[in-house]
Amino acid sequence: EVQLVESGGGLVQPGGSLRLSCAASGFTFSDYAMTWVRQTPGKGLEWVTAVSGSGTSAYYADSVKGRFTISRDNSKNTVFLQMSSLRAEDTAVYYCAKAAGVLTRDYYPSWGQGTLVTVSS
Amino acid sequence: EIVLTQSPASLSLSPGERVTLSCRASQSVSSHLGWYQQKPGQAPRLLIYDASKRATGIPARFSGSGSGTDFTLTISSLEPEDFAVYYCQQRSNWPITFGQGTRLEIK
Repeated sequence: EVQLVESGGGLVQPGGSLRLSCAASGFTFSDYAMTWVRQTPGKGLEWVTAVSGSGTSAYYADSVKGRFTISRDNSKNTVFLQMSSLRAEDTAVYYCAKAAGVLTRDYYPSWGQGTLVTVSS
Repeated sequence: EIVLTQSPASLSLSPGERVTLSCRASQSVSSHLGWYQQKPGQAPRLLIYDASKRATGIPARFSGSGSGTDFTLTISSLEPEDFAVYYCQQRSNWPITFGQGTRLEIK
């Protein structure tokens, strides 16, 4: 069974940094692209970033480009989201999700439970 | 960026009724469109991918159709557990985008 467990969320001041982690199990981690999707409280879904299975290719939404970095450690079955220069509008629940296949731009049949990031002074 | 516009924004129906939700793309996404269901406090659940293919474990009452710019998700007979928010998602172009959602409420 695929399991994705996010951690690292919390309260951070504007301009601060935070690193989210997503520990994966139940599948061959390096075979699948991974993504982060966020959801503002009470609002819709926003794709944030994706990384290929090897970790060599990464893609970002314009809203986070230059501030967020996705990476993965295939030896530890973990994907990371390093967030810096955080803004109030980055406040959201952040979900990690596993791609359906090998494509980086894909559908997402497996999701974590989400971790809340609150950016506030 | 491809904008996905879902309609209606919300609707109220009764169990047993048939419902069709719409998702329109600002430019063609071919058949690269999926549908998700999200219940309060839960992560999204993939229902449909490639416009019309049911994801693993999804009941047959859920069906998808469309190509290009116009897509629909149909639930043939609503069950109590189907009342949720539904999102469409395109994977045709970067950035991946989601529609704003349709809230399906019990009448």
